[in-house]
Amino acid sequence: SQTIHQWPATLVQPVGSPLSLECTVEGTSNPNLYWYRQAAGRGLQLLFYSVGIGQISSEVPQNLSASRPQDRQFILSSKKLLLSDSGFYLCAWRWGGGYGYTFGSGTRLTVV
Amino acid sequence: ELKVEQNPLFLSMQEGKNYTIYCNYSTTSDRLYWYRQDPGKSLESLFVLLSNGAVKQEGRLMASLDTKARLSTLHITAAVHDLSATYFCAVEVRLFTGTASKLTFGTGTRLQVTL
Repeated sequence: SQTIHQWPATLVQPVGSPLSLECTVEGTSNPNLYWYRQAAGRGLQLLFYSVGIGQISSEVPQNLSASRPQDRQFILSSKKLLLSDSGFYLCAWRWGGGYGYTFGSGTRLTVV
Repeated sequence: ELKVEQNPLFLSMQEGKNYTIYCNYSTTSDRLYWYRQDPGKSLESLFVLLSNGAVKQEGRLMASLDTKARLSTLHITAAVHDLSATYFCAVEVRLFTGTASKLTFGTGTRLQVTL
């Protein structure tokens, strides 16, 4: 069966520090991968998606970047965090040939 | 730009009562998803509605889709406290030719079921 792993679960980082969040999927190949962010008490905003290795599309201009170095690995990064980067980050995958999106357990990032 | 609107944003309901959450969207789509989110947790998939007229039911929840009206509803029957959570609808749109797609989420409806 397919599983999605996301870590860390929580993170407190100072303003100006770097960020790296990782997401891996098991049990499938060539998934579509997504990073979403949820600000406190708000809905989910799509940040990045990827349909293949090295293929990254950004949905909104921001202080973050994403990379997909391997088929089932998706990384969210920042060189210098801002206070506004705080939020709940969710990774998701979807099999390219079907339907249904599965979300990871999320990372709660607090920038102080 | 696709807009997905849910209403109400907040719903306080008594146990045993029925209510409906509405999800309106602004562009053509054949697939709509409903998710549940408990405080501090990730999203749990409830329903996937794949075509016009689709109806899915699980326990006290029933979801339906009218693609012509661009409307989905989540009906709650005889609410119980365990249903207290935030509910999101999400519309799937194609990214480009091929199978890639993405979800655009509604604003969410926070449901509180009281005794």
